[in-house]
Amino acid sequence: QSALTQPASVSGSPGQSITISCTGTSSDVGYYNYVSWYQQHPGKAPKLMIYDVSNRPSGVSNRFSGSKSGNTASLTISGLQAEDEADYYCTSYTSSDTLVFGGGTKLTVL
Amino acid sequence: QVHLMQSGAEVKKPGASVKVSCKASGYTFTGYYIHWVRQAPGQGPEWMGRINPDSSATNYAERFQGRVTMTRDTSISTAYMELSRLIFDDTAVYYCARVKVGTSPFDYWGQGTLVTVSS
Repeated sequence: QSALTQPASVSGSPGQSITISCTGTSSDVGYYNYVSWYQQHPGKAPKLMIYDVSNRPSGVSNRFSGSKSGNTASLTISGLQAEDEADYYCTSYTSSDTLVFGGGTKLTVL
Repeated sequence: QVHLMQSGAEVKKPGASVKVSCKASGYTFTGYYIHWVRQAPGQGPEWMGRINPDSSATNYAERFQGRVTMTRDTSISTAYMELSRLIFDDTAVYYCARVKVGTSPFDYWGQGTLVTVSS
């Protein structure tokens, strides 16, 4: 199972919006609506930000939103804040009952 | 409160095996799957597999088949991940993470266990 494809890096200024894409195949992202997004700060475990494509866990800012079209999922962060600077990973369950991660995107807040 | 406590850092020689534990507390151990994820230095996370603590059924990522074994001891609410025939590229932080049902996201993570493979 190949990793999902994410851009290596994205950047934005405080207050702006950015979108991170996550491209898979019809066997993973396109198969289920079980795409999640995690935020990871250095030296920390990942934190769940979005699950089932577009749902936010309790406590996660509504500045974070998710969507999906075909084999590509997207994470949008609006009103960028300095604390949003981190690595972001998407995951998807697959048709073969496994899970695959994206390669990760480093978000820089300028 | 939910807590997943992992065992401490390990240093192993190539060819050896390592067994990492993940002790759960604050919830019903058999009600949630335990997944194992590793992250090599400077790399993204990689899914290794999962175990259903209730049935002990496992599902492994293809690249670890034959080299990884996930087990559990329900009497002490602990899951284990053993990786054999270690190579240098197995140097990574290994995490356990909890999932409610088969396709749910990871809601709690262990603190991670650094496994270093060095001669």
